[in-house]
Amino acid sequence: DIVMTQTPLSLSVTPGQPASISCKSSQSLLHSDGKTYLFWYLQKPGQPPQLLMYEVSNRFSGVPDRFSGSGSGTDFTLKISRVEAEDVGVYYCMQSIQLPPITFGQGTRLEIK
Amino acid sequence: EVQLVESGGDLVQPGGSLKLSCAASGFTFSDSAMHWVRQASGKGLEWVGRIRSKANSYTTAYAASVKGRVTISRDDSKSMAYIQLNSLKTEDTAKYYCTTSLRLQRSFDYWGQGTLVTVSS
Repeated sequence: DIVMTQTPLSLSVTPGQPASISCKSSQSLLHSDGKTYLFWYLQKPGQPPQLLMYEVSNRFSGVPDRFSGSGSGTDFTLKISRVEAEDVGVYYCMQSIQLPPITFGQGTRLEIK
Repeated sequence: EVQLVESGGDLVQPGGSLKLSCAASGFTFSDSAMHWVRQASGKGLEWVGRIRSKANSYTTAYAASVKGRVTISRDDSKSMAYIQLNSLKTEDTAKYYCTTSLRLQRSFDYWGQGTLVTVSS
């Protein structure tokens, strides 16, 4: 199984300040089709997860441009340029290059200072 | 509007069985693979399994933690997906989400609200 490791596990950020979450995979997520199957989700309190970023660096429909994703191979980063109150929740990275199983990181809890 | 609505969650004793349903609407269900993801209270996300479309022979795949105890099925005529949970253990206690990928390959771009399964004596 591909293990996804996120750091940090929690983050407390002042509104307007940046935030960064790292996700490392135990194997390369680069597929032979040229795509890298690394996704980011945000789960807001009491809600199901929602897709933020797909294939490392592409924002899903409706996701604000303060969110950006980068990385390649096994090392990936989600950045929020200026954190807002609505960004509170738990962020998960996910790989789907290999199944079974599809695997998620442990989650990173973002709170506002 | 795409909707996924799970139902069937309940309190069940260890060793018992339960069948969860996912009612889909707003998209061509028969063309879509359907996945189940679960989340224990206060814990992270765990992929449980998936069923592919008829075009992909309704192929299923399961997480090791549930393999042999779980069966995912679908009824395309009703736009329904199901997950049959057998030999339930306390560690199966979780909210179960159905999810699918409509616009993007290999992602979960639509999720239901989930249904809660509690395994306890």
